[in-house]
Amino acid sequence: EAGVAQSPRYKIIEKRQSVAFWCNPISGHATLYWYQQILGQGPKLLIQFQNNGVVDDSQLPKDRFSAERLKGVDSTLKIQPAKLEDSAVYLCASSLERSRVGYTFGSGTRLTVV
Amino acid sequence: KNEVEQSPQNLTAQEGEFITINCSYSVGISALHWLQQHPGGGIVSLFMLSSGKKKHGRLIATINIQEKHSSLHITASHPRDSAVYICAPPNSGGSNYKLTFGKGTLLTVNP
Repeated sequence: EAGVAQSPRYKIIEKRQSVAFWCNPISGHATLYWYQQILGQGPKLLIQFQNNGVVDDSQLPKDRFSAERLKGVDSTLKIQPAKLEDSAVYLCASSLERSRVGYTFGSGTRLTVV
Repeated sequence: KNEVEQSPQNLTAQEGEFITINCSYSVGISALHWLQQHPGGGIVSLFMLSSGKKKHGRLIATINIQEKHSSLHITASHPRDSAVYICAPPNSGGSNYKLTFGKGTLLTVNP
């Protein structure tokens, strides 16, 4: 079974630039999550999708972050404009709807803002 | 008070030693995930357990739902076990199922 695919693996940008991350969840997984993990901390949920609808985006900095999941499959997370404190690993995860099993993470995108 | 407390934060062991990592949590419903993260790598789900004990190879996870406490044990530890181990109880149910993460335990196993 293919895992959760994320790209790019690494990204270095200057502050105030824009960046986008892509995630392809496991086939059939209705729920998709984006997490931000700052060095030395546990992951923090940014946004949760159920199919193509947003379930929870309470911790998403909406002035600069946006995410979409068109057609309920792939998802993109965008930062515009980036700040130095956005340097982190951005993890995508997916799970079956209303299921506690199959919770799978992608390998993440490491973002460095300089 | 943090919702998820792991101990120890850092652990160094010699190859072959028995390892225990503890997790206490104040949130969560009836299950908990143990996750493994290698340096620079993504996160791998090791266990999802809602009662008792689960075993996978040299890894054993136990949980006490009433006491909101879980432990992860590694028998005959090996340098390749070096990683960050994260305890993550879910903090909601239904379609809003999401995890709360501990800060993780950095395990280093020396040869």
